[in-house]
Amino acid sequence: GQQVMQIPQYQHVQEGEDFTTYCNSSTTLSNIQWYKQRPGGHPVFLIQLVKSGEVKKQKRLTFQFGEAKKNSSLHITATQTTDVGTYFCAGPRAAGNKLTFGGGTRVLVKP
Amino acid sequence: NAGVTQTPKFQVLKTGQSMTLQCAQDMNHNSMYWYRQDPGMGLRLIYYSASEGTTDKGEVPNGYNVSRLNKREFSLRLESAAPSQTSVYFCASRIQGGGEKLFFGSGTQLSVL
Repeated sequence: GQQVMQIPQYQHVQEGEDFTTYCNSSTTLSNIQWYKQRPGGHPVFLIQLVKSGEVKKQKRLTFQFGEAKKNSSLHITATQTTDVGTYFCAGPRAAGNKLTFGGGTRVLVKP
Repeated sequence: NAGVTQTPKFQVLKTGQSMTLQCAQDMNHNSMYWYRQDPGMGLRLIYYSASEGTTDKGEVPNGYNVSRLNKREFSLRLESAAPSQTSVYFCASRIQGGGEKLFFGSGTQLSVL
């Protein structure tokens, strides 16, 4: 069945540094979504990418959808303590009504 | 707007006990979902309901049952709890299927001893 893998599983970042987390699907996706979960909280929708090669920015966060629509990345510049949390990517299954989530990248920021 | 409301927030059960997790949304969404979250496993879909009156299995349905009581409410029942069901449970909803974003409840921390 469809699998969505995220790497790395953990990311320790010095405050002010940049980092990237990656999401890879075993199948082509019609779209991909990203969510953020703060410690002790629930996942919150960040963004959706639909087009091949699409790039979207939200302040210091840059999201990219691969040309083959099988991978995606999230790049954070000048990491802040507010970026702490787990970032999930999710892609729809073939039937469309279900989302398959990746295992998440847990981000820890060192001040 | 309350969004997606889950009860209870915490629950401790003994092996073999039963319980129902409640979920309600006030956004007039058609689709509702139950996920469980375990460390390093991401979010795994237990059951979902595409619309009122329909339910379907997700990735890990064994040991669970669901009821879509009406458009607002979607409950998850554990008939005979097992330690392997210790997890954080999230209910979510969205307007429709396809590319719509999910709105999550605040979760239920369940421990089965």
